[in-house]
Amino acid sequence: EPEVTQTPSHQVTQMGQEVILRCVPISNHLYFYWYRQILGQKVEFLVSFYNNEISEKSEIFDDQFSVERPDGSNFTLKIRSTKLEDSAMYFCASSGQGTRDTQYFGPGTRLTVL
Amino acid sequence: AQTVTQSQPEMSVQEAETVTLSCTYDTSENNYYLFWYKQPPSRQMILVIRQEAYKQQNATENRFSVNFQKAAKSFSLKISDSQLGDTAMYFCAFMARYGGATNKLIFGTGTLLAVQP
Repeated sequence: EPEVTQTPSHQVTQMGQEVILRCVPISNHLYFYWYRQILGQKVEFLVSFYNNEISEKSEIFDDQFSVERPDGSNFTLKIRSTKLEDSAMYFCASSGQGTRDTQYFGPGTRLTVL
Repeated sequence: AQTVTQSQPEMSVQEAETVTLSCTYDTSENNYYLFWYKQPPSRQMILVIRQEAYKQQNATENRFSVNFQKAAKSFSLKISDSQLGDTAMYFCAFMARYGGATNKLIFGTGTLLAVQP
């Protein structure tokens, strides 16, 4: 069964460093999302992406964040200058043309900012 | 703005028994979806079940079923014949269907379910 994959599973970085989180959505999906979950809290929407542009973003998704689909398979989230409060689990999700409203999640990347 | 409320932070059930997790939501939209996602200790988010608001019939997936009360804005999850592998955090989520390309999920705070042997 096709699934969303994410790399790395765990990333540790120093405050102020740039990180890139990678996702490979399900192959025929067209709609892509990033969510984050700070430890012990609920899952929060960051950004959605369709047709090579941002479709919607939350107030969390400020200028420090960017997303890109550099090729036909990867979808990346970049944080330019990480802060301590960026420590969280980051989930990628995707949905397909026929099932646009059902999002399938990857296993997440745990980001720890020291 | 839409909100999702899960009023039970933790629940416990004996193996093979039935448990119901509660969820209420607030919205002025008429066209929306509701979901239950499961997050086991591995922290992967797994879709359990979904319900379209325009459908009156409650969704079922094997041992999982929902009780969708649109007027009351209530969406509870019933797990029958609970298994040890059902131990997880369960999140209720809402999605309003707008005309745009993508629609975000709004999650509740979750209910931690422990299935006891």
